[in-house]
Amino acid sequence: QSVLTQPPSASGTPGQRVSISCSGSSSNIGSNYVYWYQQLPGTAPKLLIYKNNQRPSGVPDRFSGSKSGTSASLAISGLRSEDEADYYCAAWGDSLSGYVFGTGTKVTVL
Amino acid sequence: QITLKESGPTLVKPSQTLTLTCTFSGFSVTTAGVGVGWLRQPPGKALEWLVFIYWDDDTRYSPSLKSRLTITKDTSKNQVVLTMTNMDPVDTGTYYCAHWSDGVDVWGQGTTVTVSS
Repeated sequence: QSVLTQPPSASGTPGQRVSISCSGSSSNIGSNYVYWYQQLPGTAPKLLIYKNNQRPSGVPDRFSGSKSGTSASLAISGLRSEDEADYYCAAWGDSLSGYVFGTGTKVTVL
Repeated sequence: QITLKESGPTLVKPSQTLTLTCTFSGFSVTTAGVGVGWLRQPPGKALEWLVFIYWDDDTRYSPSLKSRLTITKDTSKNQVVLTMTNMDPVDTGTYYCAHWSDGVDVWGQGTTVTVSS
């Protein structure tokens, strides 16, 4: 049911940079802001990035977001063990879809 | 500090109506730009948005579930109530109440709902 497509998994060793893609369409990412959420195992999601590339207070600057056309990316630099989680992108779509989420990406720290 | 907490039944039978209550604190749902809503997550699956209600009483429903959902807010009690009709086993999952302001910036802890006879 997810409208936005993400890779199912990504991994890296501590200190590395990991990037997660999010592919949408002109009716969602192409014309609206992108949001990113982090969900640690067994917990509620947490807002990581809003309005494409803005970090809420308290989110480390190791996390950064970008958008180009109908795709977006989340980058995690200086990967740490506590970054091991599921990551979801989201965006408003048209009246037929509403607020849509990505398929989710599981990040593993090797 | 903004907090939200979900309450309601953990088990409902197929075809029944689910009613979930979100009790919140630390903000007013009458503040411009603010919304409160519901999202859910089936076991092992992705997040799914259900509905938001905003400070001006505007409501946005998931098109695929709109016919089954109703959201109301009681500003005097700081509560938002979600009703979902005709429950089915595929509706099993964790239901989250959340605060919207430039994204879903605060989430409740979630409540697990199982649909089974």
